[in-house]
Amino acid sequence: GQNIDQPTEMTATEGAIVQINCTYQTSGFNGLFWYQQHAGEAPTFLSYNVLDGLEEKGRFSSFLSRSKGYSYLLLKELQMKDSASYLCAVRGGFSGGYQKVTFGTGTKLQVIP
Amino acid sequence: SQTIHQWPATLVQPVGSPLSLECTVEGTSNPNLYWYRQAAGRGLQLLFYSVGIGQISSEVPQNLSASRPQDRQFILSSKKLLLSDSGFYLCAWSKGLKDIQYFGAGTRLSVL
Repeated sequence: GQNIDQPTEMTATEGAIVQINCTYQTSGFNGLFWYQQHAGEAPTFLSYNVLDGLEEKGRFSSFLSRSKGYSYLLLKELQMKDSASYLCAVRGGFSGGYQKVTFGTGTKLQVIP
Repeated sequence: SQTIHQWPATLVQPVGSPLSLECTVEGTSNPNLYWYRQAAGRGLQLLFYSVGIGQISSEVPQNLSASRPQDRQFILSSKKLLLSDSGFYLCAWSKGLKDIQYFGAGTRLSVL
């Protein structure tokens, strides 16, 4: 099966930088995703990593190390609107010919003034 | 561009009543489609996925079922709702090499 671990909650200050870590265990790794989910809303896609290294997209960056089973999401210049849950998801393993995506339980980030 | 529509946004149903949630995707053909449930403060649980018309795979045994009568339509149903069926139901679609999943707005179901 697949296992994903990420911190339950984090707090950071407006304007600062925060790093949200995710560790995973899976067979047949084929991609890692980060989503943002505001309270009461659906998740929205942030980033995708399949090769080792850093992917940058504006204030958000995501890093992957496949050998370590590790990823992080880096948020720069934090804004109050960044307060949300951040979900790490991994695609791997096979179920009926389909590679399943498993979601972590999410890290709830609170941005304070 | 592609869009995904999911309705209704909220639903309150009595125990034992039937359920039908609908999801449609626009702007693409032959997408992979998914139904998830998210209980309060919990992670996303994959319920069903479909790679084509009439092709449904179930991840978790339950009293829910899914159907895909048309290429871009995915329906979640139940004949008799249980209290434990309450939750936030999300439909998603994906396609292509990266197979990134994009979610609908969700349906918040309360079974009383």
